[in-house]
Amino acid sequence: KAGVTQTPRYLIKTRGQQVTLSCSPISGHRSVSWYQQTPGQGLQFLFEYFSETQRNKGNFPGRFSGRQFSNSRSEMNVSTLELGDSALYLCASSSPTGNTEAFFGQGTRLTVV
Amino acid sequence: AQSVTQLGSHVSVSEGALVLLRCNYSSSVPPYLFWYVQYPNQGLQLLLKYTSAATLVKGINGFEAEFKKSETSFHLTKPSAHMSDAAEYFCAVSDEDYGGSQGNLIFGKGTKLSVKP
Repeated sequence: KAGVTQTPRYLIKTRGQQVTLSCSPISGHRSVSWYQQTPGQGLQFLFEYFSETQRNKGNFPGRFSGRQFSNSRSEMNVSTLELGDSALYLCASSSPTGNTEAFFGQGTRLTVV
Repeated sequence: AQSVTQLGSHVSVSEGALVLLRCNYSSSVPPYLFWYVQYPNQGLQLLLKYTSAATLVKGINGFEAEFKKSETSFHLTKPSAHMSDAAEYFCAVSDEDYGGSQGNLIFGKGTKLSVKP
């Protein structure tokens, strides 16, 4: 069973640009969550999508957005990048049935210069 | 509001020694509690989870954790450390129960474990 796949693994962008990150969940998983990890703030929840609907949202500015497609793949977008957006962005997928864990991808390392 | 506090950002033990990583949580409802491990440049891997079935939870790689409601704690232990245990460990809490899926985890700041030969 393939794991959670995040692309790309590494990304360098310039301040002011926008970026789109992709996450393919484990087959059959309909819930996808996104987290930002930085040395200063640690792991912070961005948002969760379930069946193409945003079910939960963390405390991030509107520059951070996401969406989920009918095949459960998800993308997150960050517009008008700031230096402080440099982070490891992690995606996790889980199944809504039963008491299951969240499986994490390896993350996308975004560097804003 | 939920929160997680991990005492000690760095813990160093000798190989073969007991590993104890501390986690205290705050939640207004019975929580789901988790320990994750992260190796450099990797995602998170679940070590174990508490979901009210049993207070002593056994996980992978010889780790276990005990849920103590009176102390609001969920400390992670391993009797004998191995060099391969060197990593960063995160405690997390969730009170969401969308049919059992944990879509919104609140993480502690993490504890880096070093293992000396």
